[in-house]
Amino acid sequence: ELKVEQNPLFLSMQEGKNYTIYCNYSTTSDRLYWYRQDPGKSLESLFVLLSNGAVKQEGRLMASLDTKARLSTLHITAAVHDLSATYFCAVEGRYGGATNKLIFGTGTLLAVQP
Amino acid sequence: EADIYQTPRYLVIGTGKKITLECSQTMGHDKMYWYQQDPGMELHLIHYSYGVNSTEKGDLSSESTVSRIRTEHFPLTLESARPSHTSQYLCASSDGQTQHFGDGTRLSIL
Repeated sequence: ELKVEQNPLFLSMQEGKNYTIYCNYSTTSDRLYWYRQDPGKSLESLFVLLSNGAVKQEGRLMASLDTKARLSTLHITAAVHDLSATYFCAVEGRYGGATNKLIFGTGTLLAVQP
Repeated sequence: EADIYQTPRYLVIGTGKKITLECSQTMGHDKMYWYQQDPGMELHLIHYSYGVNSTEKGDLSSESTVSRIRTEHFPLTLESARPSHTSQYLCASSDGQTQHFGDGTRLSIL
C-alpha cells in the first residue's frame, strides 16, 4: 500500500529565511506532484516531477525528486508572506494497468511571519 | 488555465436530504476524480472515472455515488445526507499529466 508522509506538518518561519519541506513515499511511483492550497481555496498545481534527479524551480520554490530514496523536497528560498499556505505532495500510485490515481501527503502548513 | 467548475460552492442542508454536487470540465479530459478533504487534512480519493460509463470507488469508503454519462460531467450524489458527510468535496480532471482541481464544495449537514 502506497503511503505518503510529509514533514514538518507545520512550519513557522520568518521572511527572508530558507527552509525545506520533505515528502517520503513508501513504494515505487512514476510521478510526484506538489500542490499549494490557500485557506478555503482549491489546490493549485506547482510542480510535476517525472524522473529521478528531476529539479524544477518557480520563483522562490524549488522541488527535487530522488526516486531511489523515495524522497522529494520543496525548498523555499528567502520566504515572503505571500508563500503562506498549505503545501501538499502527492504520489501517483500504480493499480494494475491504471495509473494517475494520486495519494496525498498530510500537508505542510507554512506560515511566514514578517 | 484549467476550466473545471463545481457547484454549489457552499451548501448547508438538513439530515436525510438528497444532495447532488456538480462538477463539469471543458477540457475534454477523460479522467475525473472526487476527493474528500476535512479542514486542515489531506485529500482522500472517493471516486474516479476514466471515461464515459466508467466509474470506480476510491481509497476512502464513501456512501456517495457518481455517474459519468458525458465526458464533461461527473456529478456526485448523496441519497440521504448525514452529519458525518460534512466536509469539503473537491473535483479534479486530468490530461494524463496533471490533475486540475475545481474550487470545491463545502458541505455542512445539520
